[in-house]
This record gives sequence, C-alpha cells and structure tokens, in this order.
Amino acid sequence: GAGVSQSPRYKVTKRGQDVALRCDPISGHVSLYWYRQALGQGPEFLTYFNYEAQQDKSGLPNDRFSAERPEGSISTLTIQRTEQRDSAMYRCASSSEVGSYEQYFGPGTRLTVT
Amino acid sequence: GEDVEQSLFLSVREGDSSVINCTYTDSSSTYLYWYKQEPGAGLQLLTYIFSNMDMKQDQRLTVLLNKKDKHLSLRIADTQTGDSAIYFCAENPGGKLIFGQGTELSVKP
Repeated sequence: GAGVSQSPRYKVTKRGQDVALRCDPISGHVSLYWYRQALGQGPEFLTYFNYEAQQDKSGLPNDRFSAERPEGSISTLTIQRTEQRDSAMYRCASSSEVGSYEQYFGPGTRLTVT
Repeated sequence: GEDVEQSLFLSVREGDSSVINCTYTDSSSTYLYWYKQEPGAGLQLLTYIFSNMDMKQDQRLTVLLNKKDKHLSLRIADTQTGDSAIYFCAENPGGKLIFGQGTELSVKP
C-alpha cells in the first residue's frame, strides 16, 4: 500500500512569509508525528497526534510553529513569519495504533528560507 | 534527560562485519530502534528491540542491548556496498523518538 506522503517535497520561501507543510499518513494509521532534521543531525521531535488530539507539542521551538490534524488523518505543520534558521528537512511519520512502536517516515519536505 | 550518542563515522571493507554503537540515557524507553537513511532518501525502520531483551537477530542484523550500561549496538554481517548509509539509533520516551546524530557507514569494495 502507499506509504506516508508529504507535500510539497521542496519549498523555498522568503523570510517573513508563512508556510504550510502537509502530511498524509498511511491509510488507517492513528498516530502522526512531526520531526525536523537539520543537515548532519538526527531528526528532532516536534509534536504528535493520536487521532485528532495533539498529545505532545513540547518540541515545537516557539509559538511561530503550530500543527493540526482536524479529522484525524491529514496533518498540517504551519510556520509563521519564517526565519532563516527554520531551514531544514521536515519529516512526518505515522504508526498504526496508539502506543505502537513502529513509526514509518515519509520522504520529507526540504524547506529553505532565503 | 533524553540524549542519544553515536560515533559519527565508520569505514569497513566489503564482506567484513560492521558494528555501530550507541548510548542512550532514558531508562523508561520501552523499545530502542535502528533507522537507516540512504543519500537523498527517507528514514527506513531497520529493526528494534524490546527493552527487556538482550539480543535480537534478523538475517544479517544483530542488535545487542546492555540495559545496565544503556548501550545499544547494531552488527551487520557480511557488509555490502549497498549498506553504505547513515544509521540512527533512537530511544522512545513516551511515544516520541529521540534520535542520535547518526553514524555514517562507508563500505569500501
């Protein structure tokens, strides 16, 4: 079946603009996770959802970052007033059950803020 | 605190065994993971081990866990050039994954 998909795959934006990154989890997967990966580093946790409920947003760096998953399927990560330091690969993962320990990752969105 | 440490580079010859090491801090992690990232590709879940196990074998992969020392290792037998990638160790305190910096494995023919 189809894996996790993310769009756009690449996004270049000017400093100060807002961006919205989309994640479409594996069909039927109830948990969805967002991570950010800087070049040469491991992925860093941002936030996650069980169904539509945001369970943990402790990794969001500041209040310019927000995420939603209104119908418990597709999720959007929004970054307002982007800054150059927001440039990174943004990765989404999903898992089949609450508390499932297998997270499957999408291809990522490469965000570049100029 | 939550922290995962890995050495950054490992170089081996084709056919040799590779051993990638990792230390972690969170003793509450139920599982510990190894992910593989090939150039320009996403993260692939390679294997994971339940925290009350010492060893898990899966074809060419052997995972060893020393819970007392919070040390995890991944052994790849008969390493091939296709195994060249970055390998990430991860712990999972409360649902989220905490990753190490990754070990870049280079396999020379």
